[in-house]
Amino acid sequence: QVQLQESGPGLVKPSQTLSLTCTVSGGSISSGVYYWSWIRQHPGKGLEWIGYIYHSGNTYFNPSLKSRLTISIDTSKNQFSLKVSSVTAADTAVYYCARCYGDHPYHDYWGQGSLVTVSS
Amino acid sequence: QSALTQPASVSGSPGQSITISCTGTINDVGGYNYVSWYQQHPGKAPKLMIYDVTNRPSGVSNRFSGSKSGSTASLTISGLQAEDEADYYCSSFTSSSNVVFGGGTSLTVL
Repeated sequence: QVQLQESGPGLVKPSQTLSLTCTVSGGSISSGVYYWSWIRQHPGKGLEWIGYIYHSGNTYFNPSLKSRLTISIDTSKNQFSLKVSSVTAADTAVYYCARCYGDHPYHDYWGQGSLVTVSS
Repeated sequence: QSALTQPASVSGSPGQSITISCTGTINDVGGYNYVSWYQQHPGKAPKLMIYDVTNRPSGVSNRFSGSKSGSTASLTISGLQAEDEADYYCSSFTSSSNVVFGGGTSLTVL
């Protein structure tokens, strides 16, 4: 059974960089058919796709966030990571990592979510 | 990319059927058969209910079904049960090789 777990600071100051890591267990992050996604949900709002990464390092980003995003992958640790720079209160959200079936993009396994609050 | 359009809320009585629509464009829903649906209970992570427009993952009740016509996809829940009360989100692949979600629909079981 594949499991994903987000980790990282729950509080980030404005203008700083938000950093989260997703650890994958029960399956290899190097599997050729999957992309690895970050999705967020603002308090009381809907889901927003942030971006995803393939094991080769290829990335795709939400155009509205692209300029502030970095997504990386560490196959040796079976982890992938998200960095969002120059954060504001508008980046306060629950951040989910998820596995995405690449050829027909759907998210079949999700982490439990990590609340990140941007506040001084 | 703009979010897909869903009704904010729908409701139904136990045993009834309801349908949630998800409207996009030719660049997403209308252009690909890669629409998926997710159920989210309060405080929980989303759960995949439908993928590739009509397919159900193993373990998902056959009371859940999906369809698509043009640029509008639909999720139908038949034999409504109290446990179905949740938020539902559609999602689609896009022509930019991205993913876009709908705004979400809150289902109330009366």
